[in-house]
Amino acid sequence: AQSVAQPEDQVNVAEGNPLTVKCTYSVSGNPYLFWYVQYPNRGLQFLLKYITGDNLVKGSYGFEAEFNKSQTSFHLKKPSALVSDSALYFCAVTGWSSASKIIFGSGTRLSIRP
Amino acid sequence: DGGITQSPKYLFRKEGQNVTLSCEQNLNHDAMYWYRQDPGQGLRLIYYSQIVNDFQKGDIAEGYSVSREKKESFPLTVTSAQKNPTAFYLCASSSGGSDTQYFGPGTRLTVL
Repeated sequence: AQSVAQPEDQVNVAEGNPLTVKCTYSVSGNPYLFWYVQYPNRGLQFLLKYITGDNLVKGSYGFEAEFNKSQTSFHLKKPSALVSDSALYFCAVTGWSSASKIIFGSGTRLSIRP
Repeated sequence: DGGITQSPKYLFRKEGQNVTLSCEQNLNHDAMYWYRQDPGQGLRLIYYSQIVNDFQKGDIAEGYSVSREKKESFPLTVTSAQKNPTAFYLCASSSGGSDTQYFGPGTRLTVL
């Protein structure tokens, strides 16, 4: 069975510092991994995805994520946080099969203080 | 929010009433999805459809119904059988299978 875990409910970072939002997953076979961001009272916005290839994936708004197969992780990172990055972040995973459904993590609230 | 629209943005319902939430997409996507989001929680799948005139129950389908008569449209009806319908409802679409899902802006439903 597929599963995804975001171990931190909230992450607090000072503006200008690097940030990391953690995600671990479990899936049969090769995973497809996604990160989404949600601002208050809005839908989810797609940030980036990993399917295959380079383990470091670059996405929107300066975010990137590193796929680590041995640790079954897909952590979201940004070198220098902005106050406007404050939002709710979701990790998601699915398998390669066309019958697989996407499973979303419980979300991590990122708070960037000025 | 891409090419997916949801209406209305806010919806109020009296107990015992059925209400229908609209979802339309112009992305030519085959697959469409409905999720429910409760405060401080992740997304739970209600129903999904991978092709016109076909749909499957998700993890929390009880008290909900859907139809998929057109590729562009996937309306969700919240029936009176849904005991706790107050939530934020999100519609999404994708090319299918494991492809990226794109989300609409959401509908916030409140039961009075």
